[in-house]
Amino acid sequence: GQQLNQSPQSMFIQEGEDVSMNCTSSSIFNTWLWYKQEPGEGPVLLIALYKAGELTSNGRLTAQFGITRKDSFLNISASIPSDVGIYFCAGMNYGGSQGNLIFGKGTKLSVKP
Amino acid sequence: NAGVTQTPKFQVLKTGQSMTLQCAQDMNHNSMYWYRQDPGMGLRLIYYSASEGTTDKGEVPNGYNVSRLNKREFSLRLESAAPSQTSVYFCASSGRTGTTYGYTFGSGTRLTVV
Repeated sequence: GQQLNQSPQSMFIQEGEDVSMNCTSSSIFNTWLWYKQEPGEGPVLLIALYKAGELTSNGRLTAQFGITRKDSFLNISASIPSDVGIYFCAGMNYGGSQGNLIFGKGTKLSVKP
Repeated sequence: NAGVTQTPKFQVLKTGQSMTLQCAQDMNHNSMYWYRQDPGMGLRLIYYSASEGTTDKGEVPNGYNVSRLNKREFSLRLESAAPSQTSVYFCASSGRTGTTYGYTFGSGTRLTVV
């Protein structure tokens, strides 16, 4: 089946630093989604990407849909303590209104004030 | 607020007991999903329902059954709980709004089977 490799598994950074994480897939997707999960909560959608090459920002977050459609990147600029959490990438091939997400195993981000 | 609501938030079961996890969404989404999340494993799809009246197996369906009661509600049933089913369970729904595609999760049900 399809698999996503997400890296790094964890990051320990200083407040103010930039963060980069990425996902690669063994097969292509037509949609990439990036989620953040905080303790005790469900994943919350940060950015959705629908087209190869697309670059989309949400505040300090920027994500890109790789040209090959097999990878995606998420960057966080000038990190702050509330960025702490687990970030998941998810790939999907949707048709109509339905699509099954394939998740990476997450990147756990810790930010030291 | 619009979203996905799951009940209960916490549950402890004894091995062999049964229970049903409830999920409801108010975003008029056609598709609904049940995932489980285990440490180091990310989220894995148990079952999904592409539309009212249909259900399909996901990656890890064994030991579970589902019912799409109507467009809003999608329940997950454990007929005979096992310790391996200790996990956090998330319901999600998806659908189009204009040109964007929404995929929203509930806040989870933390299940412990002893």
